[in-house]
Amino acid sequence: GAVVSQHPSWVICKSGTSVKIECRSLDFQATTMFWYRQFPKQSLMLMATSNEGSKATYEQGVEKDKFLINHASLTLSTLTVTSAHPEDSSFYICSAPIMTGARIEAFFGQGTRLTVV
Amino acid sequence: AQSVTQLDSQVPVFEEAPVELRCNYSSSVSVYLFWYVQYPNQGLQLLLKYLSGSTLVKGINGFEAEFNKSQTSFHLRKPSVHISDTAEYFCAVSDREYGNKLVFGAGTILRVKS
Repeated sequence: GAVVSQHPSWVICKSGTSVKIECRSLDFQATTMFWYRQFPKQSLMLMATSNEGSKATYEQGVEKDKFLINHASLTLSTLTVTSAHPEDSSFYICSAPIMTGARIEAFFGQGTRLTVV
Repeated sequence: AQSVTQLDSQVPVFEEAPVELRCNYSSSVSVYLFWYVQYPNQGLQLLLKYLSGSTLVKGINGFEAEFNKSQTSFHLRKPSVHISDTAEYFCAVSDREYGNKLVFGAGTILRVKS
């Protein structure tokens, strides 16, 4: 089946540094990818929609200058957490839709556990 | 606005016992409902989905869920669990048939004990 690969699976960084998370569609092209975030004991929340060749669409309350999204190719979207702070520590996961029969299904990466110290 | 409530953060159960993971949703528009499973160190995998038609939906790995509009619920069930079912389960709702822009519940960790 379709596979979405996310890297790294976990990362620890110092406060003030930037961290890049990659989301790749391995055997299909994805013009759209979605980035979600999950704080401990909370729901996965959609952060932004990544669009190949154009600007990402951010959900209300998500700082676009802090969470930089680049969808440079049909198989890769990156999320960069800039000037990370401990409150950015969270689980980040991407998804990409793919046609399965007559419908579109979302396939998810394995997620990235970010810890900012 | 849509929201999803998963009533149990953790559900311990013995192997071969039945299990029900509860999910309630709120939405002012038509809903499409999903259950995803996340095994340790893996991505989310779709278990089953309700888009329309029969309210009893069968998914992979022997799971099924029933859409109850009057109770705004979409509980997940399995008659006999295995150790390998130990994972985190997420209920999600979308107002779009294609399942994008999902609103997730907080997740339920199913722990199957031998």
